[in-house]
Amino acid sequence: AQKITQTQPGMFVQEKEAVTLDCTYDTSDQSYGLFWYKQPSSGEMIFLIYQGSYDEQNATEGRYSLNFQKARKSANLVISASQLGDSAMYFCAMGTMDTGRRALTFGSGTRLQVQP
Amino acid sequence: DTGVSQDPRHKITKRGQNVTFRCDPISEHNRLYWYRQTLGQGPEFLTYFQNEAQLEKSRLLSDRFSAERPKGSFSTLEIQRTEQGDSAMYLCASSLDGTSETYEQYFGPGTRLTVT
Repeated sequence: AQKITQTQPGMFVQEKEAVTLDCTYDTSDQSYGLFWYKQPSSGEMIFLIYQGSYDEQNATEGRYSLNFQKARKSANLVISASQLGDSAMYFCAMGTMDTGRRALTFGSGTRLQVQP
Repeated sequence: DTGVSQDPRHKITKRGQNVTFRCDPISEHNRLYWYRQTLGQGPEFLTYFQNEAQLEKSRLLSDRFSAERPKGSFSTLEIQRTEQGDSAMYLCASSLDGTSETYEQYFGPGTRLTVT
């Protein structure tokens, strides 16, 4: 079974500053993928970034980077130079790669508010 | 727009009525997923298809729920004899699986169901 834990229900950050959203996971799978999604108030889940469990380098996508620490089972999202449009819910998710199953397990999310 | 689309966006129904939702995935994607999201929670997996085959159903998918994906294109999710506990956002996602080790899922805008 897989479990995702996001311990920060809400976070505030000043515009143009960096923020880290925490995610820890638990799995017995040898190979797995970790994902971050953004959900604005409109409701649509927007894919942000992916990290494979065997990737040696942390993933980066523009202002998003994933701080992957396999031994600690953490996959924190770092957003640099926050913008007002970054205000949204952020979900961490994982999926196995040991089998063909691709269903994702999500955490409960963190609400980020960017202040001007 | 070539993203995932869902119809309707909102549905209000009375308890005991049947409802059907439609999802049109990204055209070249072979996998299609249904998730349910209740207020303040992350999405929970319901079922997924590879082409027209339904490969897995979650325990959350009671006998009142049925999903189809005829011809491996669009999918429908039907809920029979709706209950107030069915009120949620129903999210559809699609992915292209088998050609790379990443399998990020792209989500539609969701259908918000309210059962009165």
